[in-house]
Amino acid sequence: GQQVMQIPQYQHVQEGEDFTTYCNSSTTLSNIQWYKQRPGGHPVFLIQLVKSGEVKKQKRLTFQFGEAKKNSSLHITATQTTDVGTYFCAGAYNFNKFYFGSGTKLNVKP
Amino acid sequence: DADVTQTPRNRITKTGKRIMLECSQTKGHDRMYWYRQDPGLGLRLIYYSFDVKDINKGEISDGYSVSRQAQAKFSLSLESAIPNQTALYFCATSIGGNQPQHFGDGTRLSIL
Repeated sequence: GQQVMQIPQYQHVQEGEDFTTYCNSSTTLSNIQWYKQRPGGHPVFLIQLVKSGEVKKQKRLTFQFGEAKKNSSLHITATQTTDVGTYFCAGAYNFNKFYFGSGTKLNVKP
Repeated sequence: DADVTQTPRNRITKTGKRIMLECSQTKGHDRMYWYRQDPGLGLRLIYYSFDVKDINKGEISDGYSVSRQAQAKFSLSLESAIPNQTALYFCATSIGGNQPQHFGDGTRLSIL
């Protein structure tokens, strides 16, 4: 069935280290969105990728969409304590219904 | 987003009770969604609506029903609540399928 897998489930890093989370689908996605959820909060939209091979950057965050549009990654360079939270990808197959990954919970030690 | 309001924020109830969770939005978006979040499982789509007359089942609609009373209001009902429906429920809105989803603050539901 249609499903988006996300790894790792948890990541603990020292402040200043890099962080990456990966999402994968067995079938081609129409688009993928990334969200961040702070502890006790709600998911907040970060970015959307639509084109094959697309790369977008937001300050220390780099988002990639694979050439086959089946995988995506979020990379944070030099993490800060403000990066703490759970990062979710959400993939769609026809722009209508989104399937969320299980999330990667990032903890940053100062 | 304060533009997407969920009520109640917390609810504790007993097995077998009928529960209604409400969502209202001032964003003017046509699309509205109900998700549930469980630890380690991410968010799973329960129902979604593209406009007042268009309601669709999501991944896990069994045991739930919805009503789209107006463009701004989308309610989720549990006709006879059971303990495994204990979860955090989020409502979201969007302009379209390739646009960001805007989430409410969530309703934490506990069924004893």
